[in-house]
Amino acid sequence: GAVVSQHPSWVICKSGTSVKIECRSLDFQATTMFWYRQFPKQSLMLMATSNEGSKATYEQGVEKDKFLINHASLTLSTLTVTSAHPEDSSFYICSVGRRERNEQFFGPGTRLTVL
Amino acid sequence: AQSVTQLGSHVSVSEGALVLLRCNYSSSVPPYLFWYVQYPNQGLQLLLKYTSAATLVKGINGFEAEFKKSETSFHLTKPSAHMSDAAEYFCAVTLDNFGNEKLTFGTGTRLTIIP
Repeated sequence: GAVVSQHPSWVICKSGTSVKIECRSLDFQATTMFWYRQFPKQSLMLMATSNEGSKATYEQGVEKDKFLINHASLTLSTLTVTSAHPEDSSFYICSVGRRERNEQFFGPGTRLTVL
Repeated sequence: AQSVTQLGSHVSVSEGALVLLRCNYSSSVPPYLFWYVQYPNQGLQLLLKYTSAATLVKGINGFEAEFKKSETSFHLTKPSAHMSDAAEYFCAVTLDNFGNEKLTFGTGTRLTIIP
C-alpha cells in the first residue's frame, strides 16, 4: 500500500513564528492529499483538501491565511502554520487518497507545540 | 451531510473477552464506512472498511464489523481481546468511492484491556 511520511515528527516553536510541515507520498503519485488536526483526546477534524496544481479547499472555520497549504508536486504537500500561537498546538496528520483502493493512507503525524 | 456517532468514549474489557465498539452512521445515500486504530502519537491504521460488497467485513488483527442498514450501525467486534489491542479506535464515513473524498470521523473510543 501507499506509504506516507511526515516531517518533522514533532516541533516546538515560539509564539509568532511559522512552522512548515511536509507530507510525502513515497510510492504513489497523489493528486489529492488531506490535512487533519487532532487536539488531545479528540477526534480528527479535516482542515483542508490539498489538490496538486491548484488551490486547497478549506473546511469551514479554518483560516486559509493562517494555514497555508501548497501541493507543489504529486508527491509533496506542505502545511505552513503562520504566526503560530499556543492554541495552534495540536497533532497534524496528513493522508493520501487512493481511488482504486477506496482508501486513505495516513501519515504518522506531526506534533506541534507552540510556547 | 454524513456523520458517525461512537457510543462510549472509553471501553474496558478483560484480556480474552469480547470486544464490542459501537458506531452508528447517518447518511442520505449509501455510505462507505471505515474503522481505524490509532496508537499513541501515531497516525491512523485501517482495520477494515465497508464498501457495499459484503455486510460482514473482516479486517486485520482479528477484528470484524457488520453493516446493518436497518440499524444504521457498523459495530466493531473481536472475539478475544489481546493486550496489544489497547488503543484509540475511530469510526469514519465517506459518501464517495473514495480516494478523493474527505472522511468524517467519530469522536473515538479508547479501548483499555484489563490483564
